[in-house]
Amino acid sequence: EPEVTQTPSHQVTQMGQEVILRCVPISNHLYFYWYRQILGQKVEFLVSFYNNEISEKSEIFDDQFSVERPDGSNFTLKIRSTKLEDSAMYFCASSPVVDTEAFFGQGTRLTVV
Amino acid sequence: RKEVEQDPGPFNVPEGATVAFNCTYSNSASQSFFWYRQDCRKEPKLLMSVYSSGNEDGRFTAQLNRASQYISLLIRDSKLSDSATYLCVVNSGYSTLTFGKGTMLLVSP
Repeated sequence: EPEVTQTPSHQVTQMGQEVILRCVPISNHLYFYWYRQILGQKVEFLVSFYNNEISEKSEIFDDQFSVERPDGSNFTLKIRSTKLEDSAMYFCASSPVVDTEAFFGQGTRLTVV
Repeated sequence: RKEVEQDPGPFNVPEGATVAFNCTYSNSASQSFFWYRQDCRKEPKLLMSVYSSGNEDGRFTAQLNRASQYISLLIRDSKLSDSATYLCVVNSGYSTLTFGKGTMLLVSP
């Protein structure tokens, strides 16, 4: 069964450092997403991406965040200068079309120290 | 603000019990509705989509009431493996899913 894969599974970084989280969406899917979940809280939307550009973004997704599809398979989330409050589980997801169910990767646990 | 509200839980039930989860959403323009389950520290996994006519998948039944902006999930004959957090999820924009905080279910022997 096709699945979304994310690397790394856990990343520890120092405050102020840049991090890049990587995702390989399901191959025939056209829409890609990043969500995050702070421990004990709900899953929150960050950004959606379609046709090589951002489709929608939330207020969480400020200038410190960026997304890129550097090649035909990878989808990345970059946090330029990490803060302690960026510590969370980051989930990548993809869907074949818009306004349908999304399939999630296993997540990257980001810990900022 | 586009919100999805769920019963706070947790629900503790014995094996074989029937359990119902409730959810309300604030965005009347929402068109797509889902139930996901999330095991501890894992990713959300799609349980089922929710259709206006209601739909059933084995022991799971989902209902949608657009007028009341209310969604439900019924689990019959609970199994130990049903223990998880159940997430009500609503499409709240062109490509945005809004998640409820989830209701934890604990099924005991």
